[in-house]
Amino acid sequence: NAGVMQNPRHLVRRRGQEARLRCSPMKGHSHVYWYRQLPEEGLKFMVYLQKENIIDESGMPKERFSAEFPKEGPSILRIQQVVRGDSAAYFCTSSPGQGQGNEKLFFGSGTQLSVL
Amino acid sequence: GENVEQHPSTLSVQEGDSAVIKCTYSDSASNYFPWYKQELGKRPQLIIDIRSNVGEKKDQRIAVTLNKTAKHFSLHITETQPEDSAVYFCAASPGFKTIFGAGTRLFVKA
Repeated sequence: NAGVMQNPRHLVRRRGQEARLRCSPMKGHSHVYWYRQLPEEGLKFMVYLQKENIIDESGMPKERFSAEFPKEGPSILRIQQVVRGDSAAYFCTSSPGQGQGNEKLFFGSGTQLSVL
Repeated sequence: GENVEQHPSTLSVQEGDSAVIKCTYSDSASNYFPWYKQELGKRPQLIIDIRSNVGEKKDQRIAVTLNKTAKHFSLHITETQPEDSAVYFCAASPGFKTIFGAGTRLFVKA
């Protein structure tokens, strides 16, 4: 049973380019969360998605950032026109769903985004 | 929304001593409190968790306590070892979103 899969592991972009980060949840998990970790800082919630639905995007910047979790395929976090301040580790986690016993988060290995 | 405060930000202990990390939360609806350990360059790993209907939980050298009235919870590591050196994150969840503390960098000196 594969864990949460994220790719790429490392992504280098120049300022103004687009970054696409992918996350495949654990098998059987229908909930995906994205977190951002700036250097030497904690994990900041960005967005919570279920299949074809954004449930909570309160942690995501209003501009340049978007996320989706289509019916088929991985969840995508998209950052348009990247700036140096976007450089961070982006972690995806998944859980089976709501309800007691389902809050345990399983983290992917993360995507380290570096903006030159 | 939920807000989680974590202290201290850095903790240095001698090998064999105990380490205590404390967190407070704001949302009384939170009922699940996990702790994660993150080694340099790696993903956070769940090390222990506790639910609001339990006051204390132990797993070998690690224990967590929860005071629901005061809205604070703590991680206790006994007989620390150099491999315990890492960043530790507390978190609180009301059931659908987990909010993390800022982290504690633990150094265990041999």
